[in-house]
Amino acid sequence: GAVVSQHPSWVICKSGTSVKIECRSLDFQATTMFWYRQFPKQSLMLMATSNEGSKATYEQGVEKDKFLINHASLTLSTLTVTSAHPEDSSFYICSGGDRLTDTQYFGPGTRLTVL
Amino acid sequence: GEDVEQSLFLSVREGDSSVINCTYTDSSSTYLYWYKQEPGAGLQLLTYIFSNMDMKQDQRLTVLLNKKDKHLSLRIADTQTGDSAIYFCAESMSAGNMLTFGGGTRLMVKP
Repeated sequence: GAVVSQHPSWVICKSGTSVKIECRSLDFQATTMFWYRQFPKQSLMLMATSNEGSKATYEQGVEKDKFLINHASLTLSTLTVTSAHPEDSSFYICSGGDRLTDTQYFGPGTRLTVL
Repeated sequence: GEDVEQSLFLSVREGDSSVINCTYTDSSSTYLYWYKQEPGAGLQLLTYIFSNMDMKQDQRLTVLLNKKDKHLSLRIADTQTGDSAIYFCAESMSAGNMLTFGGGTRLMVKP
C-alpha cells in the first residue's frame, strides 16, 4: 500500500527553538495533507489542512503563527513548530489522501519533546 | 460539529472474539475507518467501509455498519495477544477530507 514517511521520528529540543517536521508521500501524490496532534492517552486532534500550493487551513484554537505549514509539492508538507515550549510536547502525525485508491494514509508520527 | 464516540476499554481472553463499538453523529459521513495504534507508534489502517455498505470482512476482521443508528463495530475473531492496542474509529466525507476520530478503545488481550 501507499506509504507516508515522517522525519524525524523523534526530536528533543530546548525551549525556544524551532523544529521542522517533514511529511512525505512516497508513492502517491497528495493534493491535501493533514496534520494531527496526539497528547498522551488521548485521541488525535486535527490541527490543520495543508493544500498544495496554497495556505493551510487551521482548526480553531491552533495558532497559525506558531505552527507553520508549507505544502510545496504534491509529495511534501512540512510543519514547523516555532519557539517551541514544553506544552508543545506531543505526538504529531500527518496523513495524505490518495484519490486513486480513495484511501487516506498516515505517517508513523513524530514525537516532539521540548525541555 | 461531528462527534465520534467509543468505549474506553475492552478486555478479552486470547482466542475469544472482540467487538469494539463506535457511534457517530454526522449523517454525511461517507467513509468509516478503523485504525490500530500500538504503544509509541503511529496509526495503522486496519480496514474501512463505505457508507453504502452494511458489512465488510477481511480475514479476522468484520466491520458492521448500521447507518440508520450511526453505529459502527469492529469484530476481531480469535483475538491474539498481538491484537492488544488502541483502536480508533474515524469518519470522513471523502478520502481527501479530514478525519474525525473517536477517543480510542484500549483492547487488552489476556493469555
